[in-house]
Parts: sequence; structure tokens; C-alpha cells
Amino acid sequence: DAGITQSPRHKVTETGTPVTLRCHQTENHRYMYWYRQDPGHGLRLIHYSYGVKDTDKGEVSDGYSVSRSKTEDFLLTLESATSSQTSVYFCAIRSLGGTNTEAFFGQGTRLTVV
Amino acid sequence: GNSVTQMEGPVTLSEEAFLTINCTYTATGYPSLFWYVQYPGEGLQLLLKATKADDKGSNKGFEATYRKETTSFHLEKGSVQVSDSAVYFCALLEIDDKIIFGKGTRLHILP
Repeated sequence: DAGITQSPRHKVTETGTPVTLRCHQTENHRYMYWYRQDPGHGLRLIHYSYGVKDTDKGEVSDGYSVSRSKTEDFLLTLESATSSQTSVYFCAIRSLGGTNTEAFFGQGTRLTVV
Repeated sequence: GNSVTQMEGPVTLSEEAFLTINCTYTATGYPSLFWYVQYPGEGLQLLLKATKADDKGSNKGFEATYRKETTSFHLEKGSVQVSDSAVYFCALLEIDDKIIFGKGTRLHILP
């Protein structure tokens, strides 16, 4: 298994509260990604990072922010959680190597906003 | 923007049947293409990949060929097993390092 750990694995939170999800890797891979998975939508990219302090938005970035202060950690923050952010969140990592490198995924975090 | 379209599911087949899951894409340039599989309660695992036109990716009896002329990357398997029941995702890697996924196709294999 690729060395990628998401925490927490499950979380229930109340509307309006801040939430931070953590993705930790031991592979020293350059690229890290956050996706959300919802029925009927597949996986949608929230934010991704191409290096320490280098991040960019994906297709569903509104309401989310990210930080990457060191190679191994990529944090996803919901500043004020809403019920529409109830989802399963996946982190992925990918090594530098041009177009020949695939992404490896974590086990996911199931977030419920009540 | 770039996109991936794959056939709607669920797809239900009997064991030992032939499987095809269609995937087409729109992209600038020549992206790398992937098929991922997700088993219940788990993350995604890479099934196979192809990085240039006419490449054929293969793994565990599954195959897909990168067809530039039809912008397709259809997944095939000659004889499916119950253990192949899962959700399958087609994906592409863009030039700016984003990875774009299709919506997924749920596959049920009946014994």
C-alpha cells in the first residue's frame, strides 16, 4: 500500500463549525490532491498541490481551503461547514515523473454535517 | 475544459460474460488515461493505464486501448468473475497535473 493516511476516517460535525481533514504521506511525492465523492457525481477535484506552499483550485473549490506547509501533509479546511459538504473525501498522491505516473489514494474520510 | 464521460450504470452481468465499459474524453493535447477500481468501503486502486496513442494497458484480465482518433479508452474483460463487482472510474491526467474522473460505473456480477 502506498504510504498515505487520512484522518479522521469518520466525522460528524454541526453546520457552521470549522473542520480540518488531514492527509499524510510517507512517500515524499510532489503532488497531492483532495477529491470529494458523491453519488451521481463520481470524484470531483477540490484542490491540489504541486509542492510545498504551491496549491491550485479544482472544479469544486468554493467553501474549501487547503494548506501544505511541508511535503508530507496536505490539509483541507471547511471554514464553516454546510450540509452540502456532507460527502466522502479522498486524498491522493502522485510522484513527479511526467505523464507516466499514476495517483495513489487514501482510504477516505466520511464527513457528515448535521 | 477537459472532461471524461463513461457509460451510466449499474451494469449487471452473469459470471463469465464479456465486459465492456465505455469511456470517452475531451482534452487538449495527449493526456495519460487511467482506469481505477473501487471496492466497497475502500479507496480507489489503479487498474491500468496508457500514456500515449495506441498504447494498451492491461491488468488482471482487463484491457483498454488508447484510441486518439475516437478519443476513447474503453475497458474490456473477456470473462468476468463475481469478485470483479465494484465501481470503475475512467480518468485522465491533464497537462497542468490535474486528474479528472468520470462519474463511475457500478458493475454487478451475478454467480
